[in-house]
Amino acid sequence: DSGVTQTPKHLITATGQRVTLRCSPRSGDLSVYWYQQSLDQGLQFLIHYYNGEERAKGNILERFSAQQFPDLHSELNLSSLELGDSALYFCASSVGAGPPSADTQYFGPGTRLTVL
Amino acid sequence: DQQVKQNSPSLSVQEGRISILNCDYTNSMFDYFLWYKKYPAEGPTFLISISSIKDKNEDGRFTVFLNKSAKHLSLHIVPSQPGDSAVYFCAASRGRAGTASKLTFGTGTRLQVTL
Repeated sequence: DSGVTQTPKHLITATGQRVTLRCSPRSGDLSVYWYQQSLDQGLQFLIHYYNGEERAKGNILERFSAQQFPDLHSELNLSSLELGDSALYFCASSVGAGPPSADTQYFGPGTRLTVL
Repeated sequence: DQQVKQNSPSLSVQEGRISILNCDYTNSMFDYFLWYKKYPAEGPTFLISISSIKDKNEDGRFTVFLNKSAKHLSLHIVPSQPGDSAVYFCAASRGRAGTASKLTFGTGTRLQVTL
């Protein structure tokens, strides 16, 4: 158990809908990262928040948005869902905002999103 | 554009033998490399890492080798145990870039250790 929690574990929804994925970091961690793993793909970096502020952005679609709240939990909002958005969404956390050489990222168990 | 590649989707090794997982990268700006291990229904777990200033890093049964000129790294597991059966992801980062925190992952290699 990494200490990172993600809810829900599974989510099934229809095209065009909007969903919210939630992540709670490990106790004491200030950074939250979101990754997407589509079928037969590696994990793709989406976005990084540190202590409530956006620090880095990857290839995140405009239909997707995220935020980190004062209690440090984070939410990833996915809207106007398409079939291709079906994937595993992982959240990770780390203590600081440094590079991975200084700041190990600990991953949650993921949320499996299925868009029908 | 897949900057980190794991060309072997799967690998089967007998218990007690050596497992060698390979990873290639194309971006010469990467300066830190990691291996993560993933069991079903769990998130990836950090295993071992190596900085670009080294060519080898060892931690118990796990050793990572880095060949910068070939842009290639490998993970050796000796001896392999049934509990090592999992998907292994290679990842890389650029320490000095604006997105220094970003990890770029390969597609993973599924290792099965047989009795």
